[in-house]
Amino acid sequence: KQEVTQIPAALSVPEGENLVLNCSFTDSAIYNLQWFRQDPGKGLTSLLLIQSSQREQTSGRLNASLDKSSGRSTLYIAASQPGDSATYLCAAHNNNDMRFGAGTRLTVKP
Amino acid sequence: DGGITQSPKYLFRKEGQNVTLSCEQNLNHDAMYWYRQDPGQGLRLIYYSQIVNDFQKGDIAEGYSVSREKKESFPLTVTSAQKNPTAFYLCASSILSGEQFFGPGTRLTVL
Repeated sequence: KQEVTQIPAALSVPEGENLVLNCSFTDSAIYNLQWFRQDPGKGLTSLLLIQSSQREQTSGRLNASLDKSSGRSTLYIAASQPGDSATYLCAAHNNNDMRFGAGTRLTVKP
Repeated sequence: DGGITQSPKYLFRKEGQNVTLSCEQNLNHDAMYWYRQDPGQGLRLIYYSQIVNDFQKGDIAEGYSVSREKKESFPLTVTSAQKNPTAFYLCASSILSGEQFFGPGTRLTVL
């Protein structure tokens, strides 16, 4: 059964800093891995989807990488802004079964 | 506008009462999902459906029921058998094995 872990649980950085969020998963036989953003009391917003055949995806200041052999994905945020403050979740998708990490709560201080 | 809508945004349930949460999508997605989110935890799958008139139990289906009579709609009923229903409920949809898109959520509170 797939297990997804996100470290750290919380992260606080000054504005402008580059940062990396980590996601690890136990079963490498995934279809894809998806990163989401969640603001307090809101639904999830899809940020990036990496197919199992891909190594990375980029959208604006965000870059997500995938290393299936080591069971890891990272979300890189460049030049962080206060508006990036939110909880970031990753989810690993195996055969109609999507498993979520508990998330990393990011605070970017002005 | 294409997207997923959930209603109501807030819902209050009395002990012993069944309540139904609505989820509608106009993205023409075949698959729809219901998740439960508790504070500090990841999302847990309640039910999912890949086609009309068919659905499968997730990890925590006990005390919940669903129907999928139309492609666009996947309502979730929280029955009185669910002993700890207070949580944030999220609905999602996708093409089969594809990127999932989420609705805004319904916060259910037991009075």
